Amino acid sequence: EVQLLESGGGLVETGGSLRLSCAASGFTFSSYAMSWVRQAPGMGLEWVSIISGSDGTPSYAGSVKGRFTISRDNSKNTLYLQMKSLRAEDTASYYCAKMRGVSPANYYFDYWGQGTLVTVSS
Amino acid sequence: QSVLTQPPSVSGAPGQRVTISCTGSSSNIGAGYDVHWYQQVPGTAPKLLIYGNTNRPSGVPDRFSGSKSDTSASLAITGLQAEDEADYYCQSYDNSLSAWRVFGGGTKLTVL
Repeated sequence: EVQLLESGGGLVETGGSLRLSCAASGFTFSSYAMSWVRQAPGMGLEWVSIISGSDGTPSYAGSVKGRFTISRDNSKNTLYLQMKSLRAEDTASYYCAKMRGVSPANYYFDYWGQGTLVTVSS
Repeated sequence: QSVLTQPPSVSGAPGQRVTISCTGSSSNIGAGYDVHWYQQVPGTAPKLLIYGNTNRPSGVPDRFSGSKSDTSASLAITGLQAEDEADYYCQSYDNSLSAWRVFGGGTKLTVL
């Protein structure tokens, strides 16, 4: 059974930093791309970042590029999101998601974690 | 303003059929990229409902079906049940933006 368990959320001041983790189990972690998707309170879903399975190539949404860094440790089956220069608009539940598909452009999110809440406040 | 446009809400009585539209453009759905659908019951994580335009993951009832044409896609739910009340999101890929994986704004389904 695929399981994704996020941790590391909490309350942080504007301009601060936070690192989220996502512990994965139930599948061969290194074989799959992984993503972070966030959802502001009462709002819709927003893709944040993706990292490939094998070579760890990252991509970011424009709203977080230069401030967030995605990484993975395949030996620990863990995905990370390092967030810096946090803003009020980064307040959201952050979900890690396993990706699947026949080609990167057609990847979809087949399993999701339960989410971890990040609150950025001054 | 989402790149993919969905109606904010739809509703239907138990047993009825409802459809949720997802309208894109030539840089996403119209460019041939797949559309995927997710169901999110309030307070829980999203769940994959339809992938690759028309495919259902194991465990998803065949009451749910997806279709795609030109620059839009649709999710149809037949035999509506109370447990279907949730938010539904479409998702695709856009080759013109910095957020390549794009979601619709979401549609709240109310079962009357």
